[in-house]
Amino acid sequence: KQEVTQIPAALSVPEGENLVLNCSFTDSAIYNLQWFRQDPGKGLTSLLLIQSSQREQTSGRLNASLDKSSGRSTLYIAASQPGDSATYLCAVAGSARQLTFGSGTQLTVLP
Amino acid sequence: DTGVSQDPRHKITKRGQNVTFRCDPISEHNRLYWYRQTLGQGPEFLTYFQNEAQLEKSRLLSDRFSAERPKGSFSTLEIQRTEQGDSAMYLCASTGTEDGYTFGSGTRLTVV
Repeated sequence: KQEVTQIPAALSVPEGENLVLNCSFTDSAIYNLQWFRQDPGKGLTSLLLIQSSQREQTSGRLNASLDKSSGRSTLYIAASQPGDSATYLCAVAGSARQLTFGSGTQLTVLP
Repeated sequence: DTGVSQDPRHKITKRGQNVTFRCDPISEHNRLYWYRQTLGQGPEFLTYFQNEAQLEKSRLLSDRFSAERPKGSFSTLEIQRTEQGDSAMYLCASTGTEDGYTFGSGTRLTVV
């Protein structure tokens, strides 16, 4: 059974810092990995999708990497802003494409 | 296409009542998924459809839960005889062949 762990559970940083969110998974036989953002009481917004054959994806100030062999992914956020405050969720898709989520990292960026 | 739509956004119901939620996926997506999320946790898989066929159900989906996707378009999730433990955010998502997931805004259920 796939298990996904996200570290840290919560993170508070001053505006402008670069930061790294970590995600680990137990079964390396994944179809893809996706990072989401969730604002309080809202649904999930997709940030980056990495297919199993890829090593990283970039979008604006976000960069996500994938190392299947070690069961790890990182989400790098450059020059953080107060608007980045949210919960960030990592999810891996197995062969049936259903997602297994971590519990998320709650990020607060202080002005 | 405006993405995945869910209705209602919020539902408050008394214990023992039945509730039904609706999800309209992105029209060209053939896979539709239901997830449940409780406070402080990541979403958990409930069930999924490929077109109109329900292909997998989680053990979380007790016999009080039923989901349908008639004609492979919208989907409904019904909970019968609701219990306080059913209070959660119910999320719907759809995906195509090579796409990632697109989630709706969710339906927040409160059972009182």
